[in-house]
Amino acid sequence: EVQLVQSGAEVKKPGESLKISCKGSGYSFTSYWIGWVRQMPGKGLEWMGIIYPGDSDTRYSPSFQGQVTISADKSISTAYLQWSSLKASDTAMYYCARRINYYDSSLGPINWFDPWGQGTLVTVSS
Amino acid sequence: SYELTQPPSVSVSPGQTARITCSGDALPKKYAYWYQQKSGQAPVLVIYEDSKRPSGIPERFSGSSSGTMATLTISGAQVEDEADYYCYSTDSSGNHFFGGGTKLTVL
Repeated sequence: EVQLVQSGAEVKKPGESLKISCKGSGYSFTSYWIGWVRQMPGKGLEWMGIIYPGDSDTRYSPSFQGQVTISADKSISTAYLQWSSLKASDTAMYYCARRINYYDSSLGPINWFDPWGQGTLVTVSS
Repeated sequence: SYELTQPPSVSVSPGQTARITCSGDALPKKYAYWYQQKSGQAPVLVIYEDSKRPSGIPERFSGSSSGTMATLTISGAQVEDEADYYCYSTDSSGNHFFGGGTKLTVL
């Protein structure tokens, strides 16, 4: 069974750093991109960025470029999302998800996310 | 920036058919995907590539797409289908976008 298991909930103060994790199992971790998605309280899903654990190639949504860092350690099948200085506005649920993708000659790149991790709740409050 | 537009809410009685729409300029050339998110849970894929149903998803869930609009249909909606539903697609460069979400109420 393909599974993504995320690290537990975090409570931090503004200005602190944080690194949350997402461990994959049941598939070849280095062969699929892993994406991170933010969900602020009561709001929708926002794509943050993706990483290919095979070579650590990373892409960021323009909205999150420079705000977070995505990394991976393929030796332990784990992807990370980190902040160097948290803000109250970073309070949200964060999900990781495996990206399935292929190239279609007519439609171009095809991709979607499945499955998702259970989510990590990050609360930033003074 | 590319946008996928969904209605904020849809309400049906149990046993009725619920239809949730998603509009986007790139949908004529890109697949639509649908995720179900029940309260306090992670999203779950219910439709991929416009109309395909993953293993384990009930047959009452179906999808279609025509022009710039994709539709998720739940035939004979049940109380347990009450959730937020998000469409997902990509733009011509393969960038990722979610719709704003639709809250489905079944009562």
